[in-house]
Amino acid sequence: NAGVTQTPKFQVLKTGQSMTLQCAQDMNHNSMYWYRQDPGMGLRLIYYSASEGTTDKGEVPNGYNVSRLNKREFSLRLESAAPSQTSVYFCASSELGAKTQYFGPGTRLLVL
Amino acid sequence: AQTVTQSQPEMSVQEAETVTLSCTYDTSESDYYLFWYKQPPSRQMILVIRQEAYKQQNATENRFSVNFQKAAKSFSLKISDSQLGDAAMYFCAYRDLTNTGANSKLTFGKGITLSVRP
Repeated sequence: NAGVTQTPKFQVLKTGQSMTLQCAQDMNHNSMYWYRQDPGMGLRLIYYSASEGTTDKGEVPNGYNVSRLNKREFSLRLESAAPSQTSVYFCASSELGAKTQYFGPGTRLLVL
Repeated sequence: AQTVTQSQPEMSVQEAETVTLSCTYDTSESDYYLFWYKQPPSRQMILVIRQEAYKQQNATENRFSVNFQKAAKSFSLKISDSQLGDAAMYFCAYRDLTNTGANSKLTFGKGITLSVRP
């Protein structure tokens, strides 16, 4: 049982490049989340998906797009990376209405 | 909007001793959840303990317990018999009881770095 998996683990981008962060969960959860973690800021919600085909903006959605491809997968796309998007990105999932969110191992992104 | 405050950026504890990590929060809701997450150097977010606001009894998980003061909006984590493996960053987090849209998100504090001295 892998839980929540994320790829890649680490990525370096140049300003203006694009990339997609992948997330998958094998717990049959309906809800999935993308957070970013910056030093001294805790984790902040970027986007949320309650179920397949639905997405909602969180606190810091600017510069990002998401796709809920199916129940298992929720991807985060940076169309034109900026140095301000240097961060650690976490994907999480939970059952709808459940108390606990389960986190992936994170993706460290460096934008030069 | 809900906020979570962890005012201590760092703490240190001697191995085998007890340490308490502080957290306060602000909300207008009466029903919600509170969490403590541990983040070791591997960066994995690990759930330590959870408290439902409607429960008066403080949650306990082995060496970890909380002191939940609803009126004071305070939620501290006590680690007993500290071990070297407890060294990590600890985040306090809040979640509304409702589960619609972004209201189901977790609101995190800034975290506290705990070091354990051998």
